[in-house]
Amino acid sequence: GAGVSQSPSNKVTEKGKDVELRCDPISGHTALYWYRQSLGQGLEFLIYFQGNSAPDKSGLPSDRFSAERTGGSVSTLTIQRTQQEDSAVYLCASSPGAGTGYQETQYFGPGTRLLVL
Amino acid sequence: AQSVTQLGSHVSVSEGALVLLRCNYSSSVPPYLFWYVQYPNQGLQLLLKYTTGATLVKGINGFEAEFKKSETSFHLTKPSAHMSDAAEYFCAVSSSNFGNEKLTFGTGTRLTIIP
Repeated sequence: GAGVSQSPSNKVTEKGKDVELRCDPISGHTALYWYRQSLGQGLEFLIYFQGNSAPDKSGLPSDRFSAERTGGSVSTLTIQRTQQEDSAVYLCASSPGAGTGYQETQYFGPGTRLLVL
Repeated sequence: AQSVTQLGSHVSVSEGALVLLRCNYSSSVPPYLFWYVQYPNQGLQLLLKYTTGATLVKGINGFEAEFKKSETSFHLTKPSAHMSDAAEYFCAVSSSNFGNEKLTFGTGTRLTIIP
């Protein structure tokens, strides 16, 4: 079946512009995660959605970062007023969620490589 | 709070030799432990995981790892390295408490296979 997909695969933007990154999780997965992979910080958690619960935003690095998940499926990560330090690969993952016995297994998408000039 | 330490950011082994990638974790609750592999310009692929039960877990591509609670370790091994194993490997921990499954990753180990 289809895995996690992300778009765009690459994004180049100018400092100060806003960007939107999209994630399509595996169908039926109720949990969705965003992570960031950068040279200086390694792999770090950003935000977590689980069903209809309030998202865990504890990993967002600043208020320029936000994310939403519409209809319990597709998620968009928005970065406002981008800075050069936002350059990184943004990874999305989904997992089956509560009650399946496999809620802990996260499946990752290929990532969006963001370059802020 | 959780954390992961991967000893050795770069490891080189000869083709056919034993692969050993080290991972130690810290967790205040029973952990779930994972190894992911990342090939160049690709996303993360799950190699294996430990949740409960048998402490020796087997994964894809001939890899296995053993959960040792007393040593807070989850080292990854493969008896005989293959050229295709060259990649970056990440150890990760999450909480077994529902609602807190976010992964905390180690800094990664880049594995090079010498022909």
